[in-house]
Amino acid sequence: DAMVIQNPRYQVTQFGKPVTLSCSQTLNHNVMYWYQQKSSQAPKLLFHYYDKDFNNEADTPDNFQSRRPNTSFCFLDIRSPGLGDAAMYLCATSRDDRKETQYFGPGTRLLVL
Amino acid sequence: QKEVEQDPGPLSVPEGAIVSLNCTYSNSAFQYFMWYRQYSRKGPELLMYTYSSGNKEDGRFTAQVDKSSKYISLFIRDSQPSDSATYLCALDSGGGADGLTFGKGTHLIIQP
Repeated sequence: DAMVIQNPRYQVTQFGKPVTLSCSQTLNHNVMYWYQQKSSQAPKLLFHYYDKDFNNEADTPDNFQSRRPNTSFCFLDIRSPGLGDAAMYLCATSRDDRKETQYFGPGTRLLVL
Repeated sequence: QKEVEQDPGPLSVPEGAIVSLNCTYSNSAFQYFMWYRQYSRKGPELLMYTYSSGNKEDGRFTAQVDKSSKYISLFIRDSQPSDSATYLCALDSGGGADGLTFGKGTHLIIQP
C-alpha cells in the first residue's frame, strides 16, 4: 500500500547528462516537496508545490527544476548533474501546511559518474 | 550557529536500555517539533509530533520539548534491535507549507 512512490530507486548518470526523477502519491495531498539528503547530512528542502504554486528555496541551484503536471505526480529535473549532486532525493507530501501529515517516499539514490 | 544541532553519534546501547536522543535549536519561532526514524537507504518516517512545550507519550516513545531552553528530546524505553536506525529531529515554525528544518540525525545502534 505504498502512498508515496519514487522512481527509480537508484539512478546512475554521467556528469552533465540530464536526469529526471519522479514521484507519485495516492494520498491526494495538495503539497509536494523535494528534499536533497547527502550522506550523514540533514535533508535539505529544494522546493515545494502548494497546489499548482511553485516555491523555490533561495539557495536551490538553477540546475534543479521541478514540474507538477497534476496532483498526483511531481518531477525533479537536474539539467547538468555534477559530482556534488550525488545524493538521496526524497519526495514528501502533506495536506496543506499540516506538517504532522507529511509523508516521505523511499527516496531515489543518485550517483553521478 | 546552525539552526538545529544534533549529535550524529553513533550511539550504541545494549538491548533493553533507555535511550535519550536530543536536539538544540536557536530559532525561537519554531513551534512544532517532530521526530523521524530513518532506516538505511529508506525515507524518514514520522514517529512523534509535538506542538509547543510539554511531553507526549506513544508506546515506548516519549517526546519532550522545553522551549525556554530550546531543547527537545526523544526517549525510547525497552530498546530493541529493530530500533537501530538514524533518528532525525525536525522543526517547523508553522508559518506555511514550507519545508521542515531537520537536524543531521543521530545514528542509534541497539546491541542484542
